[in-house]
Amino acid sequence: EADIYQTPRYLVIGTGKKITLECSQTMGHDKMYWYQQDPGMELHLIHYSYGVNSTEKGDLSSESTVSRIRTEHFPLTLESARPSHTSQYLCASSEDFGRANEQYFGPGTRLTVT
Amino acid sequence: KNQVEQSPQSLIILEGKNCTLQCNYTVSPFSNLRWYKQDTGRGPVSLTIMTFSENTKSNGRYTATLDADTKQSSLHITASQLSDSASYICVVSDRGSTLGRLYFGRGTQLTVWP
Repeated sequence: EADIYQTPRYLVIGTGKKITLECSQTMGHDKMYWYQQDPGMELHLIHYSYGVNSTEKGDLSSESTVSRIRTEHFPLTLESARPSHTSQYLCASSEDFGRANEQYFGPGTRLTVT
Repeated sequence: KNQVEQSPQSLIILEGKNCTLQCNYTVSPFSNLRWYKQDTGRGPVSLTIMTFSENTKSNGRYTATLDADTKQSSLHITASQLSDSASYICVVSDRGSTLGRLYFGRGTQLTVWP
């Protein structure tokens, strides 16, 4: 079982609210990732981080932002939630980038914006 | 375009039976292929990882095969159990980027009935 945690697990919130999805890992991994997954669809990378104070946008355009102030913590923020943001958000981490490095996934946050 | 296609989209089998899931990919240059199991409401968990030179890899009742020439992989589940009910995701990594980008299939939703 990977030591990567996400809170909250489920969130129902109204349009226009600001939300922060929390992700933390205790494995000391430098590399962290955020994916978005709709039901029955593939995971899409929306943000990743090389390490502290380093963040990059992924393949899928997202209105969310991320920060990496501490190695173990990689929160994702939506300044003004909209129904189109309804999805599952998965956080992952790995020891390094590269082909052989295993990505360990958290349990996900299922977000519903009404 | 790098893609990962999985079939069937969904599958129902009786407990104790065997099944085989398919994955075709066009990712190039190829680095490795992983099979993940994702339980409902959870993050994906790695089952197997295979590099270019590996043809088969087993993990308990799960056996993955890889044909790098035809760009096909399969996941065979033996003597299925109720706990095997999950989505099985094929993930291919390329070796053309430092990030070691992952390409995800949409998964096969397996349901095991008693």
